[in-house]
Formats: sequence, structure tokens, C-alpha cells
Amino acid sequence: EVQLLESGGGLVQPGGSLRLSCAASGFTFNNYAMNWVRQAPGKGLEWVSTISGGDSRTDYADSVKGRFTISRDNSKNTLYLQMNSLRADDTASYYCAKRGDDCSGASCSIDYWGQGTLVTVSS
Amino acid sequence: DIQMTQSPSSLSASVGDRVTITCRASQGISNSLAWIQQKPGKAPKSLIYAASSLQRGVPSKFSGSGSGTDFTLTISSLQPEDFATYYCQQYNTYPITFGQGTRLEIK
Repeated sequence: EVQLLESGGGLVQPGGSLRLSCAASGFTFNNYAMNWVRQAPGKGLEWVSTISGGDSRTDYADSVKGRFTISRDNSKNTLYLQMNSLRADDTASYYCAKRGDDCSGASCSIDYWGQGTLVTVSS
Repeated sequence: DIQMTQSPSSLSASVGDRVTITCRASQGISNSLAWIQQKPGKAPKSLIYAASSLQRGVPSKFSGSGSGTDFTLTISSLQPEDFATYYCQQYNTYPITFGQGTRLEIK
């Protein structure tokens, strides 16, 4: 059974930093690209970043480029999101999501989602 | 960026009804389109990928169709557990983008 368990969320002041983690199990982690997707309170879903499985190529939304860094440790089956220079509009639940079976586009579908971790940026 | 526009934004229906939600892409995305369900306070759940393929374990009451710019999600015989918000998502081109969501409510 695929499980994705995020951690690391919390309250941080504007300009601060936070690192999110996502512990994965139930599949061969290094074979799959992984994503971070966020959702501001009461709002829709917003893609944040993707990292490939083997060569760790990365892509970012313009809204986080230069401030957030996605990474992975395949030996620990863990995905990370380092968030720096946080702003109030980064307040959201952050979901870890596993690549799905269809890679017909530039990216791939998503098949499994974690339960999310809430990041609140406020003074 | 490719804009995904869903219609309607909200929809009221009764148990047993059949409903259709539409998603339009601002440019062609082939069939790189997914549908996602989210219940209040819960994580998203993937339903459909490649416009019409069901994710493992998703019941056949959910169906998707379309290609290019116009897509639909149809839910037959609505049950109480189907009332949720539904999002479309394109993964044809970076950045990956989502529709604004369609809230399906009980009439």
C-alpha cells in the first residue's frame, strides 16, 4: 500500500525558513518522480514543484522559483521541500504527491497524495 | 501558462442523479488531463488520468472523455460520498495547472 506522510509544517514569521519532509513507502521510491502541490485556505490546488526519480531534475512554479528547493534522499525514501524567504501568500497546506502511470505530457499524472502539512506564515 | 477553466463552478444535484462537469484548456493538451476529487478537510484523491483512464480502485461510475482542449467528467448515480469538489489538472506542459474546482452539493 502506497503511503506518503508529510511533516515539518508549522507557524513561521515572514522571511523565515521551513523544511518539509515526505516519508514514502509501499513503492520503489527512486523509480518515481515526486511532486509538491499546495492549497491556500479555502482556495484551489496549486502545483509547486516536481523532481524526477533517477537524475533528480527539478521544475518549479514561478511563484516559488529561487525561494524553494525540492530534493530527495532515495536511500531514506524521503522527499523534501526547503522553503526560504517565506511570505504570507505561501500559507497553505502542502501535499506530497507521487507520479502516476501516464507520462504522455511534459510531466506525468499523479496517482497518490499525502494527507498534507499546514504551513502558516504570519507575524 | 495553460489556463484550465471548469464549468460550472458549483452544482446542486440529488442522490441518484447523473452529472457532468466540463473542463476547457486555453490551448491543446492532447489527453494529458486528470480529474481529482477532494472532500472537505481531506487530501485530494486522483480519479482519472489520460482524460479517460480510471485510477486503480476508482469505481466505474466515474468516467472521463475529451482530447485537445475540451474535457468532461461524468458521475453516474450520485451517492452521498460523491458530494465533493472536483478539479481538472493538465500535465501536458509545465507549469502544471489546475482548474478552479467544481463544488458538487446535495440538493
